[in-house]
Amino acid sequence: QVLLQESGPGLVKPSETLSLTCSVSGASITDHYWSWIRRPPGKGLEYIGYMSYGGSTNYNPSLKSRVSMSLDTSKNQFSLNVASVTTTDTAVYYCAKWRGDVLSDWGQGILVTVSS
Amino acid sequence: DIVMTQSPDSLAVSLGERATINCKSSQSVLYSSNNKNYLAWYQQKPGQPPKLLIYWASTRESGVPDRFRGSGSGTDFTLTISSLQAEDVAVYYCHQYYSTPYTFGQGTKLEIK
Repeated sequence: QVLLQESGPGLVKPSETLSLTCSVSGASITDHYWSWIRRPPGKGLEYIGYMSYGGSTNYNPSLKSRVSMSLDTSKNQFSLNVASVTTTDTAVYYCAKWRGDVLSDWGQGILVTVSS
Repeated sequence: DIVMTQSPDSLAVSLGERATINCKSSQSVLYSSNNKNYLAWYQQKPGQPPKLLIYWASTRESGVPDRFRGSGSGTDFTLTISSLQAEDVAVYYCHQYYSTPYTFGQGTKLEIK
């Protein structure tokens, strides 16, 4: 069974960088593609991007200039950074695993609030 | 970007009755080379992450009850719950993985009448 768990600060100040980590168990991060998705309060799901161990990355153009993702194979984790955050970045952030072409497994999600 | 539009935004159905949720994409998500529709449905209950129900528009995920059925092709898709159970109360999202940026519908909130 694949388990994903997001971690990171729940409160970030405007203009700072949001940094989250997803810890994976039950699968190797070198074998799959991984994504981040977020859900702002009262809104629907928004795709942030994906990456793979092989170096393939894709970021949503709406966030592209501010987003970066990375993998840590020694810890079987992957990470998300969103720079220069504003209140519109307040959301529940989910990490997720791709099974072939389908987003099959999701973490529980972590609420990140951007506020001074 | 492919825009996914669901209807209705909310739906109240009696226990044991049929629930139907529609999803329309702004362009086709049918890939002609393999004849597959790159369309999935997710169920999200309060405080939980989205759960994959259906992929390739009509393939039920392992463990998903057979009362959940996905149908449609091209730009028009439907999720049908044949006999609503209390545990089906949730928000349902359609999702296209045909082209990036991948996008989701706005969600349909399903409640018991």
